[in-house]
Amino acid sequence: QVQLQESGPGLVKPSETLSLTCTVSGGSISSSNYYWGWIRQPPGKGLEWVGSIYFSGYTYYNPSLQSRVTMSVDTSKKQFSLKQTSVTAADTAVYYCARGYCTSTSCRSWGYYFDYWGQGTLVTVSS
Amino acid sequence: SYVLTQPPSVSVAPGQTARITCGGNNIGNKGLHWYRQKPGQAPVLVIYYDRDRPSGIPERFSGSNSGNTATLTISRVEAGDEADYYCQVWDSDTDHVIFGGGTMLTVL
Repeated sequence: QVQLQESGPGLVKPSETLSLTCTVSGGSISSSNYYWGWIRQPPGKGLEWVGSIYFSGYTYYNPSLQSRVTMSVDTSKKQFSLKQTSVTAADTAVYYCARGYCTSTSCRSWGYYFDYWGQGTLVTVSS
Repeated sequence: SYVLTQPPSVSVAPGQTARITCGGNNIGNKGLHWYRQKPGQAPVLVIYYDRDRPSGIPERFSGSNSGNTATLTISRVEAGDEADYYCQVWDSDTDHVIFGGGTMLTVL
C-alpha cells in the first residue's frame, strides 16, 4: 500500500522560507505514470494546487505561487520537497502531498488525478 | 486561467439522490475527477476520468461529464456521505491542476 508522509516545521516566521518534505513508501517514485504534487488548504477554505513534479524533475507550478515556489525530487530517498519563500499569514494552511497518476495514454490527453494523499501537515506563519 | 464552479452547498435527505455539479468551459473535453473530504481528514478520490470508481468506493457513487457541466451523483445517500466534495481537472493548455471551490454535502 502506497503511503505518503509530510514532514517539516509547523511554524514559520513571516518573510522566511517554508520547507516541507514528502516521503513515499510502499511503491516506486520513479515511474513515468506518476506526478508528485503539493496541495494546500487554508483553514476553513478549499483545496489549492501548489505544484507538481515529475520523477525526472520537471516541475509545474500554480501561477499565483510560481515566483515563490520550488519543488525538487530525490529518487534515491523516495522523497520530494517543497520550498516556498517570503511567506505571509496568507500561506498558513494544511499542506498535503499526493501522488498524481495517469497512464501513458491518458497523461497527455486527460491529465492525472491524485490517488494517494498524505495526512497533511499544518503550517502556521506567525512571528 | 481555467475555472471550475461548484455550488457551495447541497442538502439531501437520507436515502435520496444527491447531485453535485462542477461547471467549466467545455469541461466535457477534459478528464474530471472527484474527491470527498471529511472534517480533519485528507481528501479521498471517489471518481476519476469522469466516471471510473477506485476500488473501495461504493457503486452508489457515479459520475458524468458533458458539455459545460460534470456531475457527481450519490444514490441512496447515507449519513456517512456528509462531507465536502471537490472536482478537479488538468488543464492541457497550461499543464496546471485546477480544483473547484468545493461543495458541502449535508444529509438532513
